[in-house]
Amino acid sequence: DTAVSQTPKYLVTQMGNDKSIKCEQNLGHDTMYWYKQDSKKFLKIMFSYNNKELIINETVPNRFSPKSPDKAHLNLHINSLELGDSAVYFCASSQRPKTSADTDTQYFGPGTRLTVL
Amino acid sequence: AQTVTQSQPEMSVQEAETVTLSCTYDTSESDYYLFWYKQPPSRQMILVIRQEAYKQQNATENRFSVNFQKAAKSFSLKISDSQLGDAAMYFCAFLDGGSEKLVFGKGTKLTVNP
Repeated sequence: DTAVSQTPKYLVTQMGNDKSIKCEQNLGHDTMYWYKQDSKKFLKIMFSYNNKELIINETVPNRFSPKSPDKAHLNLHINSLELGDSAVYFCASSQRPKTSADTDTQYFGPGTRLTVL
Repeated sequence: AQTVTQSQPEMSVQEAETVTLSCTYDTSESDYYLFWYKQPPSRQMILVIRQEAYKQQNATENRFSVNFQKAAKSFSLKISDSQLGDAAMYFCAFLDGGSEKLVFGKGTKLTVNP
């Protein structure tokens, strides 16, 4: 069974359109993330949700809006797509540690390659 | 802010040989975690190994091991008996104990030559 899944894996769209990427995890984790990997392969966090509550929001344009209907799902909606939004978007999940001995290792989905024409 | 530096954009190794990928980081935190992730051409991000800063013993996972030098803020990855399937981008990443924000280096592209 896939631990962290994303749909779609590929998304090609025109500038100005609105699109969504869905993410689901079946690991029972309470924290989910969105990362963006640019054309130079650099990975940077965009958002993080813990138990449906936004906890990290890294200077991302407000055209990007994450939505977490429950702790197993974190979707990313992007309005008015721009050429610069073309990238690979990764969803990840982890379990917030309860003790200092725990490690909240993040597990990644397969990525969604978004191409804006 | 924490930063992670991978000074080798590309590395190559002969099959069955050993290769070491470098990573240094900068932080004022004392409680943190370090990771190596592998990204093959399939683009899946795969956890290779992790290290807790409070542990002095270097982590190992089969052919993968790290050399964690806390004072030097260095966290290198050694791959022994390299295999063709090890060819990938390798990312070093840092996570401080109070944050869920994983900070990545720019990656090292590893080529394995038959």
